[in-house]
Amino acid sequence: EIVMTQSPATLSVSPGERATLSCRASQSVSSNLAWYQQKPGQAPRLLIYGASTRATGIPARFSGSGSGTEFTLTISSLQSEDFAVYYCQQYNNWPPRPTFGQGTKLEIK
Amino acid sequence: EVQLVESGGGLVQPGRSLRLSCAASGFTFDDYAMHWVRQAPGKGLEWVSGISWNSGSIGYADSVKGRFTISRDNAKNSLYLQMNSLRAEDTALYYCAKGVLGIYAFDIWGQGTMVTVSS
Repeated sequence: EIVMTQSPATLSVSPGERATLSCRASQSVSSNLAWYQQKPGQAPRLLIYGASTRATGIPARFSGSGSGTEFTLTISSLQSEDFAVYYCQQYNNWPPRPTFGQGTKLEIK
Repeated sequence: EVQLVESGGGLVQPGRSLRLSCAASGFTFDDYAMHWVRQAPGKGLEWVSGISWNSGSIGYADSVKGRFTISRDNAKNSLYLQMNSLRAEDTALYYCAKGVLGIYAFDIWGQGTMVTVSS
């Protein structure tokens, strides 16, 4: 199983500032990496797939980068609605066994 | 409007069975793979199972293999999860999710149905 490790567990950032979230895979997943946002009481929302492609309707302040085992989600200027838990997910292996990271909670500083 | 609506959750004793359903609308259901993803209370996300558009390819997490069965009925725009031999560790909110075309990422999610396994 490919293990996904996210850091930090909690990130405190002020509105308007930049947030950088990290995700590491236990083995290479190429660019087969997605990011999700989840707010309390809501279902997850796909932000990024293919490591850097924004999903439909996702604002440009969200960007993804990386390949292989190291990935980053950057939120360029935090808005109040961006404070949530973020998960990375790989979908590289075959037969498919998608796995998620444990999540990073982005909180208001 | 693209929508997924899960049903069938509830309280069940260990060892018993439960069948979840997911009704899809607003998109061409039989064009896409569909998945079940679960989230235990206060925990992260776990992919449970996925099924290709024509049911020709099916996968399960090791934690449910041999106990859970995924299926779909394209004529009814519906996805199912038959859960047998339920355990306490299966307690979770079960989400139905639509696959992004060609990859195992999930772009549309339902609101989930809660399954509680307890005596």
